[in-house]
Amino acid sequence: DIQMTQSPLSLSASVGDRVTITCRASQDISNFLGWFQQRPGKAPKSLIYDASSLQSGVPSKFSGSGSGTEFTLTISSLQPEDFATYYCQQYYTFPWTFGQGTEVEIK
Amino acid sequence: EVQLVESGGALVQPGRSLRLSCTASGFSFGASAMSWFRQAPGKGLEWVAFIRSTAYSGTTEYAASVKGRFTISRDNSRSIVYLQMNSLKDEDTAVYYCTREIDYWGQGTLVTVSS
Repeated sequence: DIQMTQSPLSLSASVGDRVTITCRASQDISNFLGWFQQRPGKAPKSLIYDASSLQSGVPSKFSGSGSGTEFTLTISSLQPEDFATYYCQQYYTFPWTFGQGTEVEIK
Repeated sequence: EVQLVESGGALVQPGRSLRLSCTASGFSFGASAMSWFRQAPGKGLEWVAFIRSTAYSGTTEYAASVKGRFTISRDNSRSIVYLQMNSLKDEDTAVYYCTREIDYWGQGTLVTVSS
């Protein structure tokens, strides 16, 4: 199975901060990577697909980059509604696998 | 508007069976692959099962943890995807989410396996 490793697992940031989350795959997954946001008690929401494509309706403050084994999610200016847990997921091959999640908290 | 509504979650004893349903609307259901994911209490996300679109004969894939116990199926005439869960274990306790491809998610349905 492909292992997905996120870092950091948690971070504290202030409103207006730029935040970057990293996701590493244990083998080359090309660009078959998605990023998801999950607010407490809510269903996950897709933000990014194919590593860098923004889902319809997702604000442009979210951006993704990378290919192969290293990927990043960047939030350009953190807002109160962005405090949540973020997951990366590979869909290059089955079984699909997720990173552990990164909890973004208010400083 | 894409909508996915899961139902069927319940408290069930270990070893018993349960069937989850996900009713879809707002998109071409037969042309879409569908998946089930789950999230145990306080834990991360886990992919469970996948069913391809009609164009790909509706073939299926399963996580190792559920293979042989769970079955995903679809009724294209009713725009419903099912997850039949047999021989349930305590560790199957989770919120189960239905998704279209990986872009749209339902609100989830809670399955609790406990004696």
